[in-house]
Amino acid sequence: GQNIDQPTEMTATEGAIVQINCTYQTSGFNGLFWYQQHAGEAPTFLSYNVLDGLEEKGRFSSFLSRSKGYSYLLLKELQMKDSASYLCAAMDSNYQLIWGAGTKLIIKP
Amino acid sequence: NAGVTQTPKFRVLKTGQSMTLLCAQDMNHEYMYWYRQDPGMGLRLIHYSVGEGTTAKGEVPDGYNVSRLKKQNFLLGLESAAPSQTSVYFCASSYIHYEAQPQHFGDGTRLSIL
Repeated sequence: GQNIDQPTEMTATEGAIVQINCTYQTSGFNGLFWYQQHAGEAPTFLSYNVLDGLEEKGRFSSFLSRSKGYSYLLLKELQMKDSASYLCAAMDSNYQLIWGAGTKLIIKP
Repeated sequence: NAGVTQTPKFRVLKTGQSMTLLCAQDMNHEYMYWYRQDPGMGLRLIHYSVGEGTTAKGEVPDGYNVSRLKKQNFLLGLESAAPSQTSVYFCASSYIHYEAQPQHFGDGTRLSIL
């Protein structure tokens, strides 16, 4: 079957760095998406990886290892506004997105 | 630029009632999707559409119907609501179904079935 695993909740301190991991098993693979979702709001697109390696976009970076079925989202210089859920989604061979349950990130001052 | 707009934002129904959720997008996207989001679970695809006049079943289609009569609109219907359909419903759209094209989401409809 198809499955996405990510931690349920993480806590970090303002100004620090946090890494949110995601492992996936899908029938075929056409890329890995990360979305941010603030409580009560819509998910918004953060990043997309299809090749192995690190993609950097400002304070946020995303890494992919296709051979390990593994990705992580790295958030630097954490700000209070980064408190949100982070959703990992893998695109399978039919170009359908398989979603993880999300990681709730709590930022403490 | 409104993006993806969902109506209504909140609704309470009684078991057995019917209703339609409306999704409208102004980005000229071909693909549109309906998801439900439940606590502790990932987004689950209900139905999707690859263009005007077409629809297809997703992961959890039972109890729902959809229509895409116009490119910009995607309707989700509940014919006979059940408490198990209490959820937050999100509509999304994208240019194409594949490659690095992110889906853009509406603000959601919070639906409670009593």
